[in-house]
Amino acid sequence: QVTLKESGPALVKPTQTLTLTCTFSGFSLTTTGMRVSWIRQPPGKALEWLARIDWDDDKFYSTSLKTRLTISKDTSKNQVVLTMTNMDPVDTATYYCARTPEYATSSAYFDYWGQGTLVTVSS
Amino acid sequence: QSVLTQPPSASGTPGQRVTISCSGSSSNIGDNAVNWYQQLPGAAPKLLIYGNNQWASGVPDRFSGSKSGTSASLAIIGLQSDDEADYFCAAWDDRLKGVVFGGGTKLTVL
Repeated sequence: QVTLKESGPALVKPTQTLTLTCTFSGFSLTTTGMRVSWIRQPPGKALEWLARIDWDDDKFYSTSLKTRLTISKDTSKNQVVLTMTNMDPVDTATYYCARTPEYATSSAYFDYWGQGTLVTVSS
Repeated sequence: QSVLTQPPSASGTPGQRVTISCSGSSSNIGDNAVNWYQQLPGAAPKLLIYGNNQWASGVPDRFSGSKSGTSASLAIIGLQSDDEADYFCAAWDDRLKGVVFGGGTKLTVL
């Protein structure tokens, strides 16, 4: 059974760095072709893809947020970590992690999602 | 502003057919598969259609997807009240080297 769960602070102050952890089970990020992405959704707005890490440690970032994001993985703990620097109130959103399985031919194919974690940026 | 363009809203009565469009460019929809997601209120998105027109596991065949050139569509026939949700299209973008989403379409069942 595949599950993903996001964890991290619910509230961060402007200019702080946000660190989110995606803890997953039911699959391994050492499997060739496996990928995990972070996606966010401001309240009442659209989904926005942030970053992706692959089984071979290849990393991809949103061009508009690239300078602020770092994605990493700990395969022994089945975790993917996203850090976002210099947080601003416009970064207030629900942050999701999602899986792209090895058999997916599209990197926009997300078959399992975490429940999401709401992060509010406010002083 | 989202890279893929969807109408902000759509509506229909039970039993009707509705379609939701998704417009992109040669670097995304034109060259890559389109996937559709359904997001019920308060829930995470759920994969509905992948590879332009393939049903994800457990998705009823009342839902169907199509693609032509740089546009794609999601069609729902036999509309039901529990189809009321937000629908998002998504594709890989070769120029941006990332996933792009549509702005979402809120479907209301009247």
